[in-house]
Amino acid sequence: EAGVAQSPRYKIIEKRQSVAFWCNPISGHATLYWYQQILGQGPKLLIQFQNNGVVDDSQLPKDRFSAERLKGVDSTLKIQPAKLEDSAVYLCASSLVLYEQFFGPGTRLTVL
Amino acid sequence: DQQVKQNSPSLSVQEGRISILNCDYTNSMFDYFLWYKKYPAEGPTFLISISSIKDKNEDGRFTVFLNKSAKHLSLHIVPSQPGDSAVYFCAARGGADGLTFGKGTHLIIQP
Repeated sequence: EAGVAQSPRYKIIEKRQSVAFWCNPISGHATLYWYQQILGQGPKLLIQFQNNGVVDDSQLPKDRFSAERLKGVDSTLKIQPAKLEDSAVYLCASSLVLYEQFFGPGTRLTVL
Repeated sequence: DQQVKQNSPSLSVQEGRISILNCDYTNSMFDYFLWYKKYPAEGPTFLISISSIKDKNEDGRFTVFLNKSAKHLSLHIVPSQPGDSAVYFCAARGGADGLTFGKGTHLIIQP
């Protein structure tokens, strides 16, 4: 079974630039999550999708972050404009409802 | 306000001995708890979980204990092996499926 795929793996940008991350969940998993993991911290949930609808985006900084999940499969997370404090690893995870979440390898973002 | 706390940033254990990783939580609404293991440059990998209606769950060398009255859970690894060296995250779920994670404990297994 193929795992959660994410790209790119690494990204370096300057502050005020825009960046986008892509995630392809495990086939058949209806629920998709984006987490932000800052160095030395645990992952923090940014947004949760059920199929292509948003279930929880209470911790998403909506003035600069946006996410979509078209057709209930792939998802993109965008930051526009980026700030220095956005430097982190962005993790995508997927799950069948009520089961454990499977994580992708993450995208390491560095904002200079 | 941290709802899931792992107060030990690191733990060093000799190979073959028992590793005990601890986790405390504050939110009584959490109904499911999970442990994840993470190697560098990889995403977290699910290890073991426990429902709030149970007090113990065992899977091979890994056992998770839950003490609801103390809002405390622990992960026991017996015997510890070199491949167990990794960062371990405690996570909790309440309501919607999104997880709340602790900061992690770096487990180092020494030969």
